[in-house]
Amino acid sequence: ILNVEQSPQSLHVQEGDSTNFTCSFPSSNFYALHWYRWETAKSPKALFVMTLNGDEKKKGRISATLNTKEGYSYLYIKGSQPEDSATYLCAFHNDYKLSFGAGTTVTVRA
Amino acid sequence: DSGVTQTPKHLITATGQRVTLRCSPRSGDLSVYWYQQSLDQGLQFLIQYYNGEERAKGNILERFSAQQFPDLHSELNLSSLELGDSALYFCASSTSKSSYEQYFGPGTRLTVT
Repeated sequence: ILNVEQSPQSLHVQEGDSTNFTCSFPSSNFYALHWYRWETAKSPKALFVMTLNGDEKKKGRISATLNTKEGYSYLYIKGSQPEDSATYLCAFHNDYKLSFGAGTTVTVRA
Repeated sequence: DSGVTQTPKHLITATGQRVTLRCSPRSGDLSVYWYQQSLDQGLQFLIQYYNGEERAKGNILERFSAQQFPDLHSELNLSSLELGDSALYFCASSTSKSSYEQYFGPGTRLTVT
């Protein structure tokens, strides 16, 4: 079982504030690191797939960084909006499967 | 809408029974993955098929089996059901065998009573 940990488990953010949270994963046998956004009553949707150490990806107000040597990735949300409320999952991709973390649940208060 | 369809949406059955969950991948996707989401656990990878053949196995119980048909749809068979099998079962698909970007279906909610 691959240990993929996300912290914090949940966080509350005031609308307009920025926030970030972490995913840590094994630093060996790394293939890719995935971030998914999972809204209540919907299915997970891919945000980013990151493969190279030092990778930075951005989609609108959401961005992510990757450090494969130390085994962590950060997801940042800039200027949080209520529609950003969701659970954000990271998944460590080794050579044949994805191992998911338990997620960070973000609630943005208006 | 990801383009991945799963049926049924909800399923309620009794312990000891057998059920079949169905998944149709996005058009053109050759890989299908099955995941289980229990209340107290994160998404657990069960099994992957690529173009009709089993490619990778995760934490899948022996009571569970899957297959992918020539038209690329997949079925997950769960037998001798136990209360602990109650969960949300997701299917995902991707174009390649390496699960680079997966598209998730809406899930099947299984309740075992």
